[in-house]
Amino acid sequence: ETGVTQSPTHLIKTRGQQVTLRCSSQSGHNTVSWYQQALGQGPQFIFQYYREEENGRGNFPPRFSGLQFPNYSSELNVNALELDDSALYLCASSLARGVNSPLHFGNGTRLTVT
Amino acid sequence: EDQVTQSPEALRLQEGESSSLNCSYTVSGLRGLFWYRQDPGKGPEFLFTLYSAGEEKEKERLKATLTKKESFLHITAPKPEDSATYLCAVQVRGNTPLVFGKGTRLSVIA
Repeated sequence: ETGVTQSPTHLIKTRGQQVTLRCSSQSGHNTVSWYQQALGQGPQFIFQYYREEENGRGNFPPRFSGLQFPNYSSELNVNALELDDSALYLCASSLARGVNSPLHFGNGTRLTVT
Repeated sequence: EDQVTQSPEALRLQEGESSSLNCSYTVSGLRGLFWYRQDPGKGPEFLFTLYSAGEEKEKERLKATLTKKESFLHITAPKPEDSATYLCAVQVRGNTPLVFGKGTRLSVIA
């Protein structure tokens, strides 16, 4: 069983640039969630995708956007990067929506904005 | 607003010294409480889900318990490989996203 994989593992960008992060969900999982984890903090929910549709969004501005593809892989796009966007970005997949299907996380993409 | 508070922020134990981590929550109807382990530079690894007060789950040296206001993660005779950050998260009303605490950073010294 293949777990959740994310790419790239590390990325350095300049303020104002745009970035795309990628995620392949665990085999058989149709729901993908993205979280942002600042240093020393717990993960913060960005948004969730279920069958290619956005299915919930946290308190993040519209310059954070995403996509889910037919094979359930996903992308997180961030435009007009700000210094505060520096964080670990985590992708998590689950078998279905709801509490009986826990999230399984990838190892994240460490984004540094200078 | 749904809130999750974990304590202590950091805990240092000698190998074999048992202890407990706390996760207190304020939510409008708990559907599930989750415990995750996170190693440095890695994503959180799922440990347990608890659904109702009185429920307990065990895995190796870890046991999670749940009351109506808090959860405890008991670590019995810890080993250095148990060193990690332990995250607690709650879910309310079905398909709402997980709300995480800030975690407890556990160090077990040989």
